[in-house]
Amino acid sequence: NAGVTQTPKFRILKIGQSMTLQCTQDMNHNYMYWYRQDPGMGLKLIYYSVGAGITDKGEVPNGYNVSRSTTEDFPLRLELAAPSQTSVYFCASSYTPGQGFVNEQFFGPGTRLTVL
Amino acid sequence: AQSVSQHNHHVILSEAASLELGCNYSYGGTVNLFWYVQYPGQHLQLLLKYFSGDPLVKGIKGFEAEFIKSKFSFNLRKPSVQWSDTAEYFCAADSNDYKLSFGAGTTVTVRA
Repeated sequence: NAGVTQTPKFRILKIGQSMTLQCTQDMNHNYMYWYRQDPGMGLKLIYYSVGAGITDKGEVPNGYNVSRSTTEDFPLRLELAAPSQTSVYFCASSYTPGQGFVNEQFFGPGTRLTVL
Repeated sequence: AQSVSQHNHHVILSEAASLELGCNYSYGGTVNLFWYVQYPGQHLQLLLKYFSGDPLVKGIKGFEAEFIKSKFSFNLRKPSVQWSDTAEYFCAADSNDYKLSFGAGTTVTVRA
């Protein structure tokens, strides 16, 4: 199993450009998450998905969009990049049987994004 | 909503010293609790987790954590650290809403 994979590893964008961060998991997990990590701030949840076709906003969704057309893939879209989106982005997945509780999350290696 | 606070931003200690990192959560109901570690340049990995049962949980690499419900705490401990324990440590908790809340993280630097 490759686990959770993310591409690209690094990217520099100019203000106003768009890009998609790719995330794929091969563990047949139902839940997938996107976080951003900023120094001293921990991880903030951007969007999450409880299954194919179902997504919901997290704590910091502004400026981002997601889709979940398959169980495996959960891409994150930045439409108009801004310097405030400079961060490290982590995708994660988990198998959660329901009832609201979160099981262990498995993280990808991250994408370091700089917006200039 | 759940919030998680970690008491120390940066801890510096020598090899063989004991480590204790504080973590408090806010949600008063049933919670699942986690400690994750992020080694330099790597992604987050699970150190240990608590769902129910024995409040003293053991994880990988000699780490353990104690859940104290009355104090809303889940502190991480290691009796004797090694240089390879240099990393950032994150406490996380859920609150029955399918999401995890993470603390701000504690950077641990172990000097050889």
